[in-house]
Amino acid sequence: DAGITQSPRHKVTETGTPVTLRCHQTENHRYMYWYRQDPGHGLRLIHYSYGVKDTDKGEVSDGYSVSRSKTEDFLLTLESATSSQTSVYFCAISDGLAGAVNTGELFFGEGSRLTVL
Amino acid sequence: AQKITQTQPGMFVQEKEAVTLDCTYDTSDPSYGLFWYKQPSSGEMIFLIYQGSYDQQNATEGRYSLNFQKARKSANLVISASQLGDSAMYFCAMREAFNSGTYKYIFGTGTRLKVLA
Repeated sequence: DAGITQSPRHKVTETGTPVTLRCHQTENHRYMYWYRQDPGHGLRLIHYSYGVKDTDKGEVSDGYSVSRSKTEDFLLTLESATSSQTSVYFCAISDGLAGAVNTGELFFGEGSRLTVL
Repeated sequence: AQKITQTQPGMFVQEKEAVTLDCTYDTSDPSYGLFWYKQPSSGEMIFLIYQGSYDQQNATEGRYSLNFQKARKSANLVISASQLGDSAMYFCAMREAFNSGTYKYIFGTGTRLKVLA
């Protein structure tokens, strides 16, 4: 299994507080992604990174920021959490199409359940 | 416009029968990849099967096969001989490349499959 850990796995917070979710990988993969999963919406891309300090927005980036200061860590920050950000957050990694026989599949962390009251 | 469309929110299948989960996609990238993931009730994301846009043959992995019809832009998942353990949410996803050498992975809204004994 790919070495991806997310922390915290569960968090309950109040509206207006800052929250940071951490994704840590031991695979040295170049690409890292943050998704949120909500019923009826599937997985939606929040932000992604294609290298250290190289990040870009996904389809639902408003209210979120990210940072990647080293290859293994990708942080997702909610500067001021709102109830609409209650969700399950997944980190995923990929090495793109590196290698001769590589599907470039995404490997997922176990998810972080965030509840904003 | 939806990049990945899964039109079946929920499906039932009798144990030991085959079932097809639909997925259509839209992209202008000539070198894309298509994936199916399974998410059981425990929440983890499990990679099932991959199809590259240039692959001539349909992908197969055990009881899973991907019915790839490029002209129709469809990538349906076929599960043969359904088992009770196949009951889960299934997501279709597409990888697209961008000119910066990055990759985005877009997911559909999912199909919840229930296998009946």
